[in-house]
Amino acid sequence: DADVTQTPRNRITKTGKRIMLECSQTKGHDRMYWYRQDPGLGLRLIYYSFDVKDINKGEISDGYSVSRQAQAKFSLSLESAIPNQTALYFCATDSGNTIYFGEGSWLTVV
Amino acid sequence: ELKVEQNPLFLSMQEGKNYTIYCNYSTTSDRLYWYRQDPGKSLESLFVLLSNGAVKQEGRLMASLDTKARLSTLHITAAVHDLSATYFCAARDDKIIFGKGTRLHILP
Repeated sequence: DADVTQTPRNRITKTGKRIMLECSQTKGHDRMYWYRQDPGLGLRLIYYSFDVKDINKGEISDGYSVSRQAQAKFSLSLESAIPNQTALYFCATDSGNTIYFGEGSWLTVV
Repeated sequence: ELKVEQNPLFLSMQEGKNYTIYCNYSTTSDRLYWYRQDPGKSLESLFVLLSNGAVKQEGRLMASLDTKARLSTLHITAAVHDLSATYFCAARDDKIIFGKGTRLHILP
């Protein structure tokens, strides 16, 4: 099994729809992250969490929300998707010495 | 607030040449990461540097860290086509912030 699993891997959604991206990890780490990748902009941090009760905004949290359902699960929601949220989204967990990434979720908002 | 800057953002080079990618970060960081990404793929860990003066090498890649200058470098020796990829550095305070990446294109 993959260390970090993201679902869905690909999604096309319409403007205004709510969508959730899910992430689960098998590493047992407390720290989890959601990043967004756009061409030429690198990875930008959306939200990060140190444990179930500790969730923090990152660089670009507007328009997004998250839920840490358990140590292993960290979900990202777009409450009302807009076209400029079209991007590749990565979930990650951090051991301190290594950042483990999921395979990414391609989201297209039309 | 932690910021991470990489340069250059794009690099085209000939096989056999040497080059260096630079990564500056703006505030104290307790570690510096280097990652590689191939097109359409996730990120692959290359190095983590934990202390001032740290140097790590793997094949043709060598990374170093100067915490006083808040600078890390990734040096490529005698580049080969297989090293063509995008390289990211990232620094950590309480969160992990990435640079914009350096897209490396190695010409045969």
